[in-house]
Amino acid sequence: EIVLTQSPGTLSLSPGERATLSCRASQSVSSVLSSYLAWYQQKPGQAPRLLIYDVSSRATGIPARFSGSGSGTDFTLTISRLEPEDFAVYYCQQGSFGGGTKVEIK
Amino acid sequence: QVHLQESGPGLVKPSGTLSLTCAVSGGSISSSNWWSWVRQPPGKGLEWIGEIYHSGSTNYNPSLKSRVTISMDNSKNQFSLNLSSVTAADTAVYYCARKGFFLGSGHYYFDFWGQGTLVTVSS
Repeated sequence: EIVLTQSPGTLSLSPGERATLSCRASQSVSSVLSSYLAWYQQKPGQAPRLLIYDVSSRATGIPARFSGSGSGTDFTLTISRLEPEDFAVYYCQQGSFGGGTKVEIK
Repeated sequence: QVHLQESGPGLVKPSGTLSLTCAVSGGSISSSNWWSWVRQPPGKGLEWIGEIYHSGSTNYNPSLKSRVTISMDNSKNQFSLNLSSVTAADTAVYYCARKGFFLGSGHYYFDFWGQGTLVTVSS
C-alpha cells in the first residue's frame, strides 16, 4: 500500500503570497498509474472539493492560480497568489489520502 | 449536477453496527462510476473506507475490511455502508462520494461529495 506524506503540516502565509505544498509517495507507481494523483481542498464544516486531478489538470471551475506538478514519488500543489478564500486544508490522494496541509493566515 | 445525501443514526453504541445510506440524485448509480465512503474523525484527516461499482464489485480499505460491507439498491438509486463492531475510534464524519471516471487518463477521482454526517459511538 502506498503511503502519502504531506509537508509541511501547517503553512502560515499572508494573502497574496505563494503557497507550495508537497506530497511524497512511499513508492513510485507503475507507468500506467504515473499520472494518478489528485488534490482536494477542504474548508471547515465542508466536504472536500476536487481541485487538481491527473497530477496537473484543474477540475471544473478551479481558478488558474492553482497548479499541480510532479512525477514519480514527489508532487506539488502551488497556489500562485493566495486569496482569502484559499485558507483551508489541502489533501493529496492516490488511492488513499495524505495527512493534509493546513494553509493558515499569518 | 450529481447530489449525494447521507442519512442514518447519529449515535451508535459500542460493539454495535453503524449503518448509513447515501441517496443519489441528478445521476444514476448504475453509471460507470465508483460509489464510495470516506470518513474523517474530529480534527483529523480523511480515510477512505471502501467503494462499490455499478456491477456490484467492491473494494475495501484493508484496515477495515473485516468489518465493512457496502451495498447498493439500484431501484432506489442509493448505496449503503455497514460497519460492525464499532468502537469510539469509529466516531467520525462519514461522507459518501462519487469517484467519477476522467476520460483523459482513465482514472477515477472523488468529484462529487455529500455534506457528511457525524456518527458518534458512545453508550
